[in-house]
Amino acid sequence: QVQLVQSGTEVKKPGASVKVSCKASGFTFTTFSMHWVRQAPGQRLEWMGWIDIDNGNTKYSQQFQGRVSITLDTSARTAYMELSSLRSEDTAVYFCARDNITDSYPFWGQGTLVTVSS
Amino acid sequence: DIVMTQSPDSLAVPLGERATINCKSSQSVLSSSKNENRLAWYQQKPGQPPKLLIYWASTRESGVPDRFSGSGSGTDFTLTISSLQAEDVAVYYCQQYYNTPRTFGQGTKVEIK
Repeated sequence: QVQLVQSGTEVKKPGASVKVSCKASGFTFTTFSMHWVRQAPGQRLEWMGWIDIDNGNTKYSQQFQGRVSITLDTSARTAYMELSSLRSEDTAVYFCARDNITDSYPFWGQGTLVTVSS
Repeated sequence: DIVMTQSPDSLAVPLGERATINCKSSQSVLSSSKNENRLAWYQQKPGQPPKLLIYWASTRESGVPDRFSGSGSGTDFTLTISSLQAEDVAVYYCQQYYNTPRTFGQGTKVEIK
């Protein structure tokens, strides 16, 4: 079955960067796309961007443009999301989610808590 | 960006009764080329990732109980839980995947009355 396993909790200082990983199993890795969604405490889900696993093309939310980078290591079946210039408002749980032919998200990672604090 | 607005923000329903959640998009999410509404509903319980319930506005994901149903088209959508069960206590989100950025509603918290 499809599984997405994310890296563990991170604590960062303002201005630093964080890189969260999402290791996939249970499907042909070069199909579909991997999306990243975050959820700040008590807030709605917020889409950050996605990467086409087949060709590596990316698209990012304008809100994060210039600060976010989504990459792949296809040999390791792992997607990464790196967010730079962290500020306290970036404190959130970050999720990876894989789409399917319907473009909705039936598969999610367990989430990674990133805390930004001085 | 397409703004998704849900109503109400929260509701309390007796066990076995119907729960109805509304979602309105700021522009149509109907794909005319495929005649499908690109709208999904998710359920999220504390400490868990969201779980896909409904896609294409009205198609239940495999394994989702049939007490969950989705309806609507264009800009106005509804998620109905026909007979609320204790395990349905959660926050429910609508999401459009018509274009990017993919956007979510603010969530509706469903509790037992």
